[in-house]
Amino acid sequence: GQQLNQSPQSMFIQEGEDVSMNCTSSSIFNTWLWYKQEPGEGPVLLIALYKAGELTSNGRLTAQFGITRKDSFLNISASIPSDVGIYFCAGREGGTSYGKLTFGQGTILTVHP
Amino acid sequence: NAGVMQNPRHLVRRRGQEARLRCSPMKGHSHVYWYRQLPEEGLKFMVYLQKENIIDESGMPKERFSAEFPKEGPSILRIQQVVRGDSAAYFCASSPGPGEATLGASGSQYFGPGTRLLVL
Repeated sequence: GQQLNQSPQSMFIQEGEDVSMNCTSSSIFNTWLWYKQEPGEGPVLLIALYKAGELTSNGRLTAQFGITRKDSFLNISASIPSDVGIYFCAGREGGTSYGKLTFGQGTILTVHP
Repeated sequence: NAGVMQNPRHLVRRRGQEARLRCSPMKGHSHVYWYRQLPEEGLKFMVYLQKENIIDESGMPKERFSAEFPKEGPSILRIQQVVRGDSAAYFCASSPGPGEATLGASGSQYFGPGTRLLVL
């Protein structure tokens, strides 16, 4: 089945540092989404990407849809304690805007004040 | 609250009992997805439904699991004769369909808070 590798598995950083995480897939995706999940809650959508090469920002967050359509990265600049959580990438195959998402294993982010 | 709603938030069942999980999509969304998350893992797709139709159930276990999204009311994920291995967090997501003037983009999925199922 579909393989989605997300790295790193975990990160321990100081407040103010920048963070970068990425996902690679074994096949081509038409959509990449990045979510953040906090304990006991559902994933919250951070950024959605729909076109190869697309670069999108949401405040301190920036994400890109890789040109090969098999990868994506998420950057967080000037991290703050409330950035703590688990970040997931998710992608969709096929030619439509609907259908199942495949999720990465998640990146656990810890920010030390 | 215009978000995806799920209830109950926590559900405890004994082995052999039935579990019913409910999901009300965001207002105006006609597409519903169910995912399962085991501890410290990513979400795994189970089933994709539109009103009164199952579109993709490729992630559903062949036995004991069923899902519906009736014309009126919430989507239901039903697990019969639960076993300990069914213990997990179950998340529902919704997205707008074609032509639906709603919150969010058609390619994105918006998640509810989840139902944590514990089977004793």
